[in-house]
Order: sequence, then structure tokens, then C-alpha cells
Amino acid sequence: KNQVEQSPQSLIILEGKNCTLQCNYTVSPFSNLRWYKQDTGRGPVSLTIMTFSENTKSNGRYTATLDADTKQSSLHITASQLSDSASYICVRGGGSQGNLIFGKGTKLSVKP
Amino acid sequence: DVKVTQSSRYLVKRTGEKVFLECVQDMDHENMFWYRQDPGLGLRLIYFSYDVKMKEKGDIPEGYSVSREKKERFSLILESASTNQTSMYLCAGAAGGAHNEQFFGPGTRLTVL
Repeated sequence: KNQVEQSPQSLIILEGKNCTLQCNYTVSPFSNLRWYKQDTGRGPVSLTIMTFSENTKSNGRYTATLDADTKQSSLHITASQLSDSASYICVRGGGSQGNLIFGKGTKLSVKP
Repeated sequence: DVKVTQSSRYLVKRTGEKVFLECVQDMDHENMFWYRQDPGLGLRLIYFSYDVKMKEKGDIPEGYSVSREKKERFSLILESASTNQTSMYLCAGAAGGAHNEQFFGPGTRLTVL
């Protein structure tokens, strides 16, 4: 069983609309929760990194939330743009950089 | 702008060939990583390195080796390529510390025929 579960697997929204992507993680110890954006055929780019003491972090139109008690995180995208079409990957960080657990990603398509 | 570069975007090799994937970072970061990414799976760590000449196995090291002779360069070696090593390979660099961002390269899509 994957230790980081993301939902939905894929999502189609209209340009200008908001959306929320979900991430549940099941593994301890936990030191941080990360969200990455990956354009097709490219390497992932970091959006946010939250430690267990933070419950929200924003990066422009992207806002991540974290509930360490329920082991859930969400990524909210406001006023979507065509360039938001990508895969969004949730990552649970452990005690070192070599201990990241990656989710399978949510593929977002923004249509005009 | 930080930069991680990989030697090839696309590579086609034959079964049994020795394959070298090169990664260079200009960030003076201690940590470097090699991942592979396959459809329907999350990124999986192959090997990582905390310092020059240091290496640690990740989750799927079988069939791979690595070399880090200089701080800025981390090489992934497939000693004898097999078809099940057809994948997207991603290199990353990060400063020391559990909360630091990993910066990824553009990836190398390797096809083994």
C-alpha cells in the first residue's frame, strides 16, 4: 500500500475556476509535507514545503494546508490558468533528504 | 537561478549496453539524488549522495551504480541495460537539512530496446 495517497487521480476544470487536490499520508515519522508541480516531460518544481508545526502555506495562487492529526494535506489552486495544467505531486518528508515518499500525483487539465 | 542539468533529454540504448547518465548542479549543494519515474508509480529513489565519494542506496538500487567524484557532478550507471530499465530518470540536488527543497533536472527519458 502506497504510503502517500492522492485524490483525485485526474481532474478537468475550466479556466478561471478554483480546485482542491487531496493528499493522505500514513507513515510516521513525519518531518515535512511537500507539494510539487510537474509539467509533462519535465522535472518537478517545488510549490510549498510545510513542517509539522505549520498548517498553511501559500505560493501565489497555490495554497497548501496540513492537518498533522488526521495526516491530510490539500492544495488549493485559485483562479486557474491554462498553465496550471500539470501533475501535482504530494511528498511526505522523513528525517532526512533521502527519505522522501512520493505520491502518484493528480493530473490537472485546465480547459479554456 | 539554481540549475540542475542532465546530459541527455532522450536516450535509446540496446539491451546489455553500459549506460551513463550525467547530472551537474551549480548550487554547491551537498546532496544529490537519482530517481526513476514510471507511469502509475510515484518517483522512486535509486541512489543518493551526501558528499563527494559518498553514496547511499535508495529503494531500488538493483542494476544501478553511481559515481560522485566532484561535488557538482553525480553519475548514474547502468552496467548492463535491460528493457525493464526503460524509464524517465530524474536527478535532483538539495542543501543539507531535512526541510530544504530538492531541485530537479529536466529528466532523461531512456528507452532500452
